[in-house]
Amino acid sequence: GAGVSQSPSNKVTEKGKDVELRCDPISGHTALYWYRQSLGQGLEFLIYFQGNSAPDKSGLPSDRFSAERTGGSVSTLTIQRTQQEDSAVYLCASRRSPSGGYGYTFGSGTRLTVV
Amino acid sequence: AQSVTQLDSQVPVFEEAPVELRCNYSSSVSVYLFWYVQYPNQGLQLLLKYLSGSTLVKGINGFEAEFNKSQTSFHLRKPSVHISDTAEYFCAVTNPTTGTASKLTFGTGTRLQVTL
Repeated sequence: GAGVSQSPSNKVTEKGKDVELRCDPISGHTALYWYRQSLGQGLEFLIYFQGNSAPDKSGLPSDRFSAERTGGSVSTLTIQRTQQEDSAVYLCASRRSPSGGYGYTFGSGTRLTVV
Repeated sequence: AQSVTQLDSQVPVFEEAPVELRCNYSSSVSVYLFWYVQYPNQGLQLLLKYLSGSTLVKGINGFEAEFNKSQTSFHLRKPSVHISDTAEYFCAVTNPTTGTASKLTFGTGTRLQVTL
């Protein structure tokens, strides 16, 4: 597609439920990143996928968070047993090149609210 | 490890006035620097980036930024702002390498509020 697509755009869930957030990157982009944007916290790195390499999960805040990327394209971020502190905007970005110089394209994000 | 500091959480400015949004970074290796803008309920849009070469970088919407290695700064400027520039601005840094280090590290953002 023309841009990075994320769904759903908004998600309200009850505390303790599991949620899945989807990211569809730009076709041909080999690198994919998930970030979390909490109020007043800036953007926090969560996880990074590069091609078929093992993902860098160093930013995941707890074992309730996991992500996968199927076929080097679509990625799903799963949060199990959601807590109120998980409420945030989850942003996905993709990048064409494995080097750091090229632009990252961000999706519009999924706003997650845990009630 | 690298980090980015945006000291101003909010910057109010009148329309047609100049503005500077400050960004300082910390890194033990060479860096690539970026400014992104986020309009309400939207994703991040790249304003400009510094990779190498001229330290004065021009971006979209009349913005520019200057890389100052000695002061480890990358301040964003616009000589005359418009109401439509009201948004959140993020400074970010990464390293010119592959792999894990290629992830962006962001500052906490600066809210630019332009009023008449």
